[in-house]
Amino acid sequence: DQQVKQNSPSLSVQEGRISILNCDYTNSMFDYFLWYKKYPAEGPTFLISISSIKDKNEDGRFTVFLNKSAKHLSLHIVPSQPGDSAVYFCAASRYNEKLTFGTGTRLTIIP
Amino acid sequence: DTGVSQDPRHKITKRGQNVTFRCDPISEHNRLYWYRQTLGQGPEFLTYFQNEAQLEKSRLLSDRFSAERPKGSFSTLEIQRTEQGDSAMYLCASSTGQPGDSPLHFGNGTRLTVT
Repeated sequence: DQQVKQNSPSLSVQEGRISILNCDYTNSMFDYFLWYKKYPAEGPTFLISISSIKDKNEDGRFTVFLNKSAKHLSLHIVPSQPGDSAVYFCAASRYNEKLTFGTGTRLTIIP
Repeated sequence: DTGVSQDPRHKITKRGQNVTFRCDPISEHNRLYWYRQTLGQGPEFLTYFQNEAQLEKSRLLSDRFSAERPKGSFSTLEIQRTEQGDSAMYLCASSTGQPGDSPLHFGNGTRLTVT
């Protein structure tokens, strides 16, 4: 069963605009959520995380929002830059255990 | 700052052969994880260690797979009698294991091709 879902396989955004990537989860026991970015032929790179006690976390151009009642999180990137073009994975864990990943969203920033 | 290192980067083997991969985590990290990724999918959990203790193994980890972390530092993942379905990217990650804010840091993976 897919406990972490990214329903949009791809997204295209104009450079300078906001990119919004979405993620849904089914396991209400998850208490830690992360976003990773992956370039081809490289491992995933950690971007930003959020604990279930918060609803927002910001780091520079990246903001993650968590809506626990909807079991939904989103990653906002503003302004979007060409170097942001990559595959983005959301991930979740409970009780400091393993991460469960979504299937990824390929983000393309159009110059 | 030395990141997670994996060796080899690529491995091509014939079906039925055994292969072994190595992972060197970030030195101060107690936890070490193995994941597998196939095309179009996110990383799938295989197993993880806290120091030298293997704490959890996925159902994906059949009897042909074995992982070790003998001294709580580097780890090896061995696949015996490889099958074509084993072709994938094998990712290693490490973390401090501190509750609440302990992201995994990944290596660049070992790409296995079974012919």
